[in-house]
Amino acid sequence: KQEVTQIPAALSVPEGENLVLNCSFTDSAIYNLQWFRQDPGKGLTSLLLIQSSQREQTSGRLNASLDKSSGRSTLYIAASQPGDSATYLCAVVTNTGNQFYFGTGTSLTVIP
Amino acid sequence: KAGVTQTPRYLIKTRGQQVTLSCSPISGHRSVSWYQQTPGQGLQFLFEYFSETQRNKGNFPGRFSGRQFSNSRSEMNVSTLELGDSALYLCASSSAGTSGETQYFGPGTRLLVL
Repeated sequence: KQEVTQIPAALSVPEGENLVLNCSFTDSAIYNLQWFRQDPGKGLTSLLLIQSSQREQTSGRLNASLDKSSGRSTLYIAASQPGDSATYLCAVVTNTGNQFYFGTGTSLTVIP
Repeated sequence: KAGVTQTPRYLIKTRGQQVTLSCSPISGHRSVSWYQQTPGQGLQFLFEYFSETQRNKGNFPGRFSGRQFSNSRSEMNVSTLELGDSALYLCASSSAGTSGETQYFGPGTRLLVL
């Protein structure tokens, strides 16, 4: 069964810092990997989707990389802002079905 | 285009009762998936419906069931509620439900079982 882990569980940084969130998965037979953001008590907002054939995706200050063979993905956030404070979740879709396996999440706090 | 909507947003029930949650996907989307989110277990897949048929099912007991209507709206039902069913229930929709598509999530229904 696919297991997805995110490290660290919580992170607090001063505004303006660059930071990296980590995601690892046990089964490399994935179809794609997606990073989401969740604000307290709210649903999920998709940030970046990386297909299994891709190595990275970029959107604004966000850059996500994927190393399928080692079962790892990173989300890089440049010049962090207080509005980036949220929980960040990674999720993988395996080749065998159309369902997400979610990570445990990283709770990010950006201090003004 | 309107996003995914879920009703109700909040619900309080007592043990033993049953509950029905509703999800309206983005217009034109035919796939609806349901997820349960709890502090202890995180986000877990419940089931996926496509064109009124359940296509995938997660590892949840039979008390959890769902259906999808011809207009793609979906309902999820939980019977004989237990305290551990307290959670945020999220639904997500996508156009054809293929693995390469982005799924769009609704705001969720927060269920509290007392």
